[in-house]
Amino acid sequence: SQQGEEDPQALSIQEGENATMNCSYKTSINNLQWYRQNSGRGLVHLILIRSNEREKHSGRLRVTLDTSKKSSSLLITASRAADTASYFCATVSLSGNTPLVFGKGTRLSVIA
Amino acid sequence: DAGVIQSPRHEVTEMGQEVTLRCKPISGHDYLFWYRQTMMRGLELLIYFNNNVPIDDSGMPEDRFSAKMPNASFSTLKIQPSEPRDSAVYFCASSLDVSPLHFGNGTRLTVT
Repeated sequence: SQQGEEDPQALSIQEGENATMNCSYKTSINNLQWYRQNSGRGLVHLILIRSNEREKHSGRLRVTLDTSKKSSSLLITASRAADTASYFCATVSLSGNTPLVFGKGTRLSVIA
Repeated sequence: DAGVIQSPRHEVTEMGQEVTLRCKPISGHDYLFWYRQTMMRGLELLIYFNNNVPIDDSGMPEDRFSAKMPNASFSTLKIQPSEPRDSAVYFCASSLDVSPLHFGNGTRLTVT
């Protein structure tokens, strides 16, 4: 299975601190994506990183990808209470035409 | 753009009853996905369509589950008969190409 697995399962930090979440996967990929899910809502796409990219930024988000280790990390800098949510990684197979397979997510709590 | 619209938001039914979940994808999107989310198993892909045609239904748990997409703007997921173990949040998502996905806010199904 190419399912991504996030680590840790839960993370609690103070507002202003940085939050780092990790994702590991098993097979070669075309791209890896991160999504956020607020309580009671659907997932929202945050960022996509392709297999030939090593790092990508979007606002306070920084994503890295290490294809040799089959892992990715999501860093949220200067966290805010509004960042409290579950974060999921998802991978697309090498062919690029298969649906996303999600991990079980990291539950992030940012305490004001 | 109203996003992906799912109805109902909550459904409570008794075991043995038929349940129909509805989804209106984003206009112009050519892929539609049905996922189920539970604490135990996370997000599971049930079935997905491309241009209204079912591509892969291998995630549908049993014959009690069926999905249709009669046109580009509407899809249904039906469970007949429903069982308590079907209790979960069911998400519909749509996309242009296979990803990234745009999710609806889900239908929380409770089967008593």
